[in-house]
Amino acid sequence: QQQVKQSPQSLIVQKGGIPIINCAYENTAFDYFPWYQQFPGKGPALLIAIRPDVSEKKEGRFTISFNKSAKQFSLHIMDSQPGDSATYFCAAANTDKLIFGTGTRLQVFP
Amino acid sequence: DGGITQSPKYLFRKEGQNVTLSCEQNLNHDAMYWYRQDPGQGLRLIYYSQIVNDFQKGDIAEGYSVSREKKESFPLTVTSAQKNPTAFYLCASSPQGLNYGYTFGSGTRLTVV
Repeated sequence: QQQVKQSPQSLIVQKGGIPIINCAYENTAFDYFPWYQQFPGKGPALLIAIRPDVSEKKEGRFTISFNKSAKQFSLHIMDSQPGDSATYFCAAANTDKLIFGTGTRLQVFP
Repeated sequence: DGGITQSPKYLFRKEGQNVTLSCEQNLNHDAMYWYRQDPGQGLRLIYYSQIVNDFQKGDIAEGYSVSREKKESFPLTVTSAQKNPTAFYLCASSPQGLNYGYTFGSGTRLTVV
């Protein structure tokens, strides 16, 4: 019940493509869903986050879609660029726990 | 600039030795965390602290110890009891509780030789 399942493990797209990373959770007590971006040799950085009272949140080229009934959420990267190549982690949290997904390694080729 | 500083960036340890990883934050955050990152396994929680002089075990605390004597500092000791210590270690902090975004440090890569 505490897991956050993330897929795919890796993703390769061409510049301009729209990579989509999916996450699913079990615990309905989670009420905060952040995404982190990590470049090699660096710590993860908060990219965008959503709470379950909205179905979509957009910040620049990054969009989170949230389906509360299905307990799923996803990250879409519009007009992807080679500089977006990184590992992306989803997470789910409440006041007691924050659980990370296993990460998706994204490569965007020119 | 506010942030989290982890040192050193790279650390080599001989088997059987204890080693301490430093984590300092100037964000005035109450909560601090230590994670271990291994390829393909995501981030696993080692220890966390929500107030000074108090800390709790995470999912993989065996072979590790921490202290929280100051709000700004949360050092992690990797003891000789940790069977597979080679990994990338990340420190994080948050203002209060887990319902807010973490700020991560840049990590320490520990290699046992």
